[in-house]
Amino acid sequence: QSALTQPASVSGSPGQSITISCTGTSSDVGSYNLVSWYQQHPGKAPKLMIYEVSKRPSGVSNRFSGSKSGNTASLTISGLQAEDEADYYCCSYAGSSTSWVFGGGTKLTVL
Amino acid sequence: QVQLVQSGAEVKKPGASVKVSCKASGYTFTSYYMHWVRQAPGQGLEWMGIINPSGGSTSYAQKFQGRVTMTRDTSTSTVYMELSSLRSEDTAVYYCARGWWELILWGQGTLVTVSS
Repeated sequence: QSALTQPASVSGSPGQSITISCTGTSSDVGSYNLVSWYQQHPGKAPKLMIYEVSKRPSGVSNRFSGSKSGNTASLTISGLQAEDEADYYCCSYAGSSTSWVFGGGTKLTVL
Repeated sequence: QVQLVQSGAEVKKPGASVKVSCKASGYTFTSYYMHWVRQAPGQGLEWMGIINPSGGSTSYAQKFQGRVTMTRDTSTSTVYMELSSLRSEDTAVYYCARGWWELILWGQGTLVTVSS
């Protein structure tokens, strides 16, 4: 099972909005509304930011939102803040034989 | 509080095995599945497999089939991940993470270094 495809890097200025894409196939992202997004700061464990495509866990800022169209999921961060600078990973359920697959990760730089 | 605490860093020689533990506390251990995910230095996250702490059933990523074994001890609320026939490419931080469709709660990670 190949990893989901994410851009290697994105950047934005404080206050701006950015979107990170996550492209899979009809066997994973396209088949299930089970895409999640994780934020990882250097040297730290990942943190769940979005689950089931667009749901936010308690405590996660509403500046973070998720969506999906066909085989591509997206994470949008609005009102960029310095603390948003981190690596972001998408993850999708891919069926019982393959189970779960991650994206390659996107490094967000806040200029 | 609800947390997952993993065992400490390991250094292993090529061909050896490593067993990493993940002790759960603050919740009912058997009520939530546990995933294992690894991250090689400077690389992305890689899903390895999942275990049901209640019955012990497992599902492994095809890449690790035959080399990985996930087990649990309900008496100590601990899950284990054993990886055998280690090679240099297995050098990574290994994480346990609670959840099913999404990985909600993560351990702090365990660095496994494979070096001769």
